[in-house]
Amino acid sequence: GAVVSQHPSWVICKSGTSVKIECRSLDFQATTMFWYRQFPKQSLMLMATSNEGSKATYEQGVEKDKFLINHASLTLSTLTVTSAHPEDSSFYICSASALTGGAGDEQFFGPGTRLTVL
Amino acid sequence: GESVGLHLPTLSVQEGDNSIINCAYSNSASDYFIWYKQESGKGPQFIIDIRSNMDKRQGQRVTVLLNKTVKHLSLQIAATQPGDSAVYFCAEKSGTYKYIFGTGTRLKVLA
Repeated sequence: GAVVSQHPSWVICKSGTSVKIECRSLDFQATTMFWYRQFPKQSLMLMATSNEGSKATYEQGVEKDKFLINHASLTLSTLTVTSAHPEDSSFYICSASALTGGAGDEQFFGPGTRLTVL
Repeated sequence: GESVGLHLPTLSVQEGDNSIINCAYSNSASDYFIWYKQESGKGPQFIIDIRSNMDKRQGQRVTVLLNKTVKHLSLQIAATQPGDSAVYFCAEKSGTYKYIFGTGTRLKVLA
């Protein structure tokens, strides 16, 4: 199946700094990538959807100026958490899809990035 | 609003028994449903999917049942093994491409 990687797998940063997380589709071209956030013992919550070459679409309640998303190529999307605070500590997961508009457009998930803000 | 929910957070089964994990969804217009397995510290792993024009689909040791009348989805795991221990999420495709995840059920396999 399709492989999606994330880098780094974990990161610890100081409050107030910015952190960039990369999401790559390794063996297919992803027209759309999704960023999720997952708190401990909770489900995945969609943060935003990014299409290659266009601005990301953010879910309600997600600050676009705080969570900057760039999808510069068909194989790479980045999420930058700006001015991180302890409440931003979470597990961030990306997924990628080669959307065709059909009912079976599968999303392939990355392994996740654990962010800890001190 | 749209929601996909699971009521039971933990399911404990004996090794070798069958497991049934349930999921209720609220958007009757959803046309695609997926079950994911998530192990601690890892991303979701695709298990099986089903389209809304089907009511049953089988994979290796897993079966997904879809009851559109009551908006219910279930995942059956046959002969549950210790490696099946994980959190299981159902997800529905809402709209063109968005997935909405359920709250998750932790499956514990008892030796």
